[in-house]
Amino acid sequence: EAAVTQSPRNKVAVTGGKVTLSCNQTNNHNNMYWYRQDTGHGLRLIHYSYGAGSTEKGDIPDGYKASRPSQENFSLILELATPSQTSVYFCASGEGQGRQNTLYFGAGTRLSVL
Amino acid sequence: GQQVQQSPASLVLQEGENAELQCNFSTSLNSMQWFYQRPGGSLVSLFYNPSGTKHSGRLTSTTVIKERRSSLHISSSQTTDSGTYLCALEHNAGAKLTFGGGTRLTVRP
Repeated sequence: EAAVTQSPRNKVAVTGGKVTLSCNQTNNHNNMYWYRQDTGHGLRLIHYSYGAGSTEKGDIPDGYKASRPSQENFSLILELATPSQTSVYFCASGEGQGRQNTLYFGAGTRLSVL
Repeated sequence: GQQVQQSPASLVLQEGENAELQCNFSTSLNSMQWFYQRPGGSLVSLFYNPSGTKHSGRLTSTTVIKERRSSLHISSSQTTDSGTYLCALEHNAGAKLTFGGGTRLTVRP
């Protein structure tokens, strides 16, 4: 069974603080993704990666950085958190283009920026 | 405009009724995926369907590329089917997926 684990599950941060959201997958998938989900906007892609060392900008990358130090791990970094980044964040993994790129999602991280 | 549009935005059924959820897209695609999300929960893949029809239990997914649409049919709905159903377009140009806004389904006993 494909497994994607996110940490922390809940986070309260202060405006201007640094926040790191972590994601680990044991699927040996090439691709990993970070989405945020907000009422009225659905799921929006922030950053994604094709493999270790690669990061790509998604549709809403401003205010976020990503890091893929290994096949298993993909982090989302908020250097200067703002209240507008309060959201639920989902990480996902997939085999990648050219294969059946079914996505497997983590349980989500609920972030509140005060 | 939005690349992926889902309809209806919400739907209420009585248990046993059927449902037809629509997803229309305005760009080319490599594949269409359908996901289910329980309230407050994560997303679970239902179908990976680049074209044609696929079945899984009471669920059927049909993607017609030239008409730029995909549908999810739920037969004999159950209360446990309640939740949000999302379609996601996998673009030709890369491996990223663009999601529709979802259909919130409520099945009443």
